[in-house]
Amino acid sequence: SAVISQKPSRDICQRGTSLTIQCQVDSQVTMMFWYRQQPGQSLTLIATANQGSEATYESGFVIDKFPISRPNLTFSTLTVSNMSPEDSSIYLCSVWKGLNTEAFFGQGTRLTVV
Amino acid sequence: GENVEQHPSTLSVQEGDSAVIKCTYSDSASNYFPWYKQELGKRPQLIIDIRSNVGEKKDQRIAVTLNKTAKHFSLHITETQPEDSAVYFCAARRNNDMRFGAGTRLTVKP
Repeated sequence: SAVISQKPSRDICQRGTSLTIQCQVDSQVTMMFWYRQQPGQSLTLIATANQGSEATYESGFVIDKFPISRPNLTFSTLTVSNMSPEDSSIYLCSVWKGLNTEAFFGQGTRLTVV
Repeated sequence: GENVEQHPSTLSVQEGDSAVIKCTYSDSASNYFPWYKQELGKRPQLIIDIRSNVGEKKDQRIAVTLNKTAKHFSLHITETQPEDSAVYFCAARRNNDMRFGAGTRLTVKP
């Protein structure tokens, strides 16, 4: 298994500001991902966090809005930049220990933009 | 890319009855199919998974079946209990790409 610590668990932010969410895993993992989950909705992949290189973004998500870092095999950050109320959502990190293993999720960050 | 459709979106059953949730996928190269349970305010957690070389897998009251030809897989929960109430997500994975269904809100009435 993998123990994931995601911080902060929740935050209320002013529009126009930025928030950085951290994801720390207790062991080295192959893959790290960031998802967004609107209330009552499914999990939408934002990007794959690549260790030592730029993240791979899904259609509709761009680096300027959601910069991602992954300096090593156990840690990643997602920044939500220049926030607007539409960015209010739950953001989750997810990891795979290997390519053929299950996905584990962090507890999520509930973001409210006012 | 992969597209996963999940039905029904909501399901209400009486305690003790069975519940079935169905998913279809579009990419025939997908080879791993997990099911996640998400309780209110909690993270999604894996409850069962199946790989493409297996047709059925069972774990106590939970079972998953896979039909590769038809590209669909199903979650079966027998003898449902109120604590089974949650949102269930299916997913299909090919290599580094995993896509989730829209989710099914299951309510088990005591």
